[in-house]
Amino acid sequence: KAGVTQTPRYLIKTRGQQVTLSCSPISGHRSVSWYQQTPGQGLQFLFEYFSETQRNKGNFPGRFSGRQFSNSRSEMNVSTLELGDSALYLCASSSGGTSGREETQYFGPGTRLLVL
Amino acid sequence: KNQVEQSPQSLIILEGKNCTLQCNYTVSPFSNLRWYKQDTGRGPVSLTIMTFSENTKSNGRYTATLDADTKQSSLHITASQLSDSASYICVVDSGYALNFGKGTSLLVTP
Repeated sequence: KAGVTQTPRYLIKTRGQQVTLSCSPISGHRSVSWYQQTPGQGLQFLFEYFSETQRNKGNFPGRFSGRQFSNSRSEMNVSTLELGDSALYLCASSSGGTSGREETQYFGPGTRLLVL
Repeated sequence: KNQVEQSPQSLIILEGKNCTLQCNYTVSPFSNLRWYKQDTGRGPVSLTIMTFSENTKSNGRYTATLDADTKQSSLHITASQLSDSASYICVVDSGYALNFGKGTSLLVTP
């Protein structure tokens, strides 16, 4: 089975721009979660999508949004980029069963975003 | 405030030695506790997931323990290998939110 894939792997943007990141989960997985990782804050949870609906959300401003398509692929969008948005953005997939919360999550390699 | 504290922040050990990483948390309620290994430049890989009723879980040379009363967990690595060099992240799930530790950076040297 192919693993979680994320595109692009690297991205450079300037302040004020917007960016869209893509994540393709493992085949058959219906849950996709997004995380931001920075050296100072570590891993932080952004949101989780399951069957095209946002199921959980972390404490990030509304500039961070996402969506999930019927094939479970997910996109994350960040508008009006700030310098502090520079980070590694990781997505993780799981089968997303009824409980979902005790399942193993499989992470992609991440998209490294640099905001200048 | 829900917090997850990991110690030590970094650790250097010789190949073949054992080591133990600590995770203390104040998260409540508690749903499960996870340990992840993250190699440089890669996404995290799940090592173990433990629920309230589990106090030990192994995955090869990795053994995690959980004391839900004292809200402490440890990750023990036996007979370390060079490939164990990575960041180890403890995550506590409250059932409503995931709470992340900042990780322990482990370097295994020949």
